Amino acid sequence: DAGITQSPRHKVTETGTPVTLRCHQTENHRYMYWYRQDPGHGLRLIHYSYGVKDTDKGEVSDGYSVSRSKTEDFLLTLESATSSQTSVYFCAISECCETWTSGRAPYNEQFFGPGTRLTVL
Amino acid sequence: AQKITQTQPGMFVQEKEAVTLDCTYDTSDQSYGLFWYKQPSSGEMIFLIYQGSYDEQNATEGRYSLNFQKARKSANLVISASQLGDSAMYFCAMREGWLHGGSQGNLIFGKGTKLSVKP
Repeated sequence: DAGITQSPRHKVTETGTPVTLRCHQTENHRYMYWYRQDPGHGLRLIHYSYGVKDTDKGEVSDGYSVSRSKTEDFLLTLESATSSQTSVYFCAISECCETWTSGRAPYNEQFFGPGTRLTVL
Repeated sequence: AQKITQTQPGMFVQEKEAVTLDCTYDTSDQSYGLFWYKQPSSGEMIFLIYQGSYDEQNATEGRYSLNFQKARKSANLVISASQLGDSAMYFCAMREGWLHGGSQGNLIFGKGTKLSVKP
C-alpha cells in the first residue's frame, strides 16, 4: 500500500473556525490532490499540487486554500468553516505525469489516503 | 454536462454471477485514460483497472475487465463470479488530455454505483 496518511481522521468543529487537514506521504510522489466526497456527487477535486510550492485550483476550490512546503506534506485549510464544507476529504498522490509518450495519456493511477470525516456544526 | 456518467445508483447481483457496471464519458480529447475505483464500506479508495484510449485490447485484471467501446464512449466494468466482498461503491473516473488537466494527472469522477452482492 502507498504510504499516505491523513490527520486528523475525524473532526467536529463549529462554523467560522479555521480548520487545517494534513496529508503526509512517504512515496516521494510529485503530484498531490485534495478531494471532497459528498453523497450524490462522487469525488470532486478541490486543489492539487505539482511540486513544492506549486499548487492550482480544482473544480470546487472556493473556501479552501492549500500549501505545500515539503514534498511529503500537503495541507488543506478551511479559513472559516461553513456547514456546506461538512464532507469526507481524501488526499491522493500520483507519479503522473512526467511524460506523455507518443501523446498517450499516462497510466499512473492515483493512490488515496484513508480520508478525513469533517463535520461543521 | 457531466463528463462521467454512471447511470446505475444501485445494483444487486447474485453471488457467483457476473455483473456489468455502466460508465459513459464525454471528452473531445483523443488521448485520455479511464479508471475504475472500488470503495468498500470501510471508506478507502482502491484502484481496480485502467484503460487508455489508444489501447487496442480491453483491460483485464483478475476478475475485473473493462468493456471499452470508444465510438460509444463507454467504459463498462465487468466483474465475473461476484463475491460477497465485492459489495461496495464503484467509481468510474477519467483523465483527459494534456490541455484539460491531464498534464497534472487530474481525474474526473462519476457519482458512483453501489453494488450489493446477495448470498
